[in-house]
Amino acid sequence: GENVEQHPSTLSVQEGDSAVIKCTYSDSASNYFPWYKQELGKRPQLIIDIRSNVGEKKDQRIAVTLNKTAKHFSLHITETQPEDSAVYFCAASRGGSTLGRLYFGRGTQLTVWP
Amino acid sequence: DTEVTQTPKHLVMGMTNKKSLKCEQHMGHRAMYWYKQKAKKPPELMFVYSYEKLSINESVPSRFSPECPNSSLLNLHLHALQPEDSALYLCASSQVVANQPQHFGDGTRLSIL
Repeated sequence: GENVEQHPSTLSVQEGDSAVIKCTYSDSASNYFPWYKQELGKRPQLIIDIRSNVGEKKDQRIAVTLNKTAKHFSLHITETQPEDSAVYFCAASRGGSTLGRLYFGRGTQLTVWP
Repeated sequence: DTEVTQTPKHLVMGMTNKKSLKCEQHMGHRAMYWYKQKAKKPPELMFVYSYEKLSINESVPSRFSPECPNSSLLNLHLHALQPEDSALYLCASSQVVANQPQHFGDGTRLSIL
């Protein structure tokens, strides 16, 4: 099955700096890659996603890049703010018999210091 | 605002009790999911329903019994749970099951005494 590795497990940055979280996946058939943000005690919230026919996608301060050849994708947050502090999960999904199943990374605890 | 509504928000039950968790969405989504999440861990998939039919059961113990009465509702019936079943139970929905964004509810925090 699919295996998603996520790094780092913890990340501390100063307000205004950039943060980068990286994920690798093992199954070349994976074709959908969402990122979720989960604040303490709250639900996972989809913040951005990318499909395998696209190399990069941006939404204001957040961007995701995908390298299909190397099987890795990354989340980039620019001009970080204290409210960006949360756990971020990457995930990968593919079709076939596992349609609908998201394979999650283990998560990154991001702390933004004011 | 959360578009996937889960009730109750908190539930404490004994190991011999029977209870149900409820999930509702009115976005016209035809895929619905149950996840279990332990502290500081990613969500673990339990069940997937596609067009009201069970399409994935991740080898979940029979003390968890899902039900999808219609396209907007998803239930999870609980019976004879164990202390290790204490967790946050999340419901999610997506337009269809094929690689679409999944939107999560706020979850039910379940504690087994």
